[in-house]
Amino acid sequence: AQRVTQVQPTGSSQWGEEVTLDCSYETSEYFYRIFWYRQLFSGEMVFLIYQPSFDTQNQRSGRYSVVFQKSFKSISLVISASQPEDSGTYFCALSELIMGYKLTFGTGTSLLVDP
Amino acid sequence: EAAVTQSPRNKVAVTGGKVTLSCNQTNNHNNMYWYRQDTGHGLRLIHYSYGAGSTEKGDIPDGYKASRPSQENFSLILELATPSQTSVYFCASGDANYAEQFFGPGTRLTVL
Repeated sequence: AQRVTQVQPTGSSQWGEEVTLDCSYETSEYFYRIFWYRQLFSGEMVFLIYQPSFDTQNQRSGRYSVVFQKSFKSISLVISASQPEDSGTYFCALSELIMGYKLTFGTGTSLLVDP
Repeated sequence: EAAVTQSPRNKVAVTGGKVTLSCNQTNNHNNMYWYRQDTGHGLRLIHYSYGAGSTEKGDIPDGYKASRPSQENFSLILELATPSQTSVYFCASGDANYAEQFFGPGTRLTVL
């Protein structure tokens, strides 16, 4: 069974600091992807970055990067030089080659970046 | 420009009434999805579709039907709405050739 866990319901940061958000997951599949989305206060879901299971390199995209620990089934999102505009709720999601590549979401981490 | 749109954006319905939520995508993606978001649960998959004429059950399909009459349109139907179906509903489109799913803006449904 698929499960995604985000144990930090909330987080905070000061402008310019690096922020790390944690996620763990359960899957029996060999091929899968882990996605990070940010939900804005408007409700809009914004795609940030994803990590394929077969890639040993940690993915990077602008100020976003991940730390992928496949053997521990954990992945962290790292936001460098955080800004107040980064505030929002961050969701980790697991995608497997079943159910049309459906996403299984964690419960999210609500981040507040102080100016 | 918005690639995935939903209508209505807000809906108030009465218990026992029929509700139809609509989704349109211009991404030309084969797959479309309906999720609901509730506090403490993240987003959960209700129904999905592989293409026109196809609908499949997701993780929480009870009380919902879906319809995919065309590549672009995917509807979620609540035949007999109940207060437990009060939630925010998101439609998304995706494709095996693309990594991420693209989400619509969401529909806030309140069933009284």
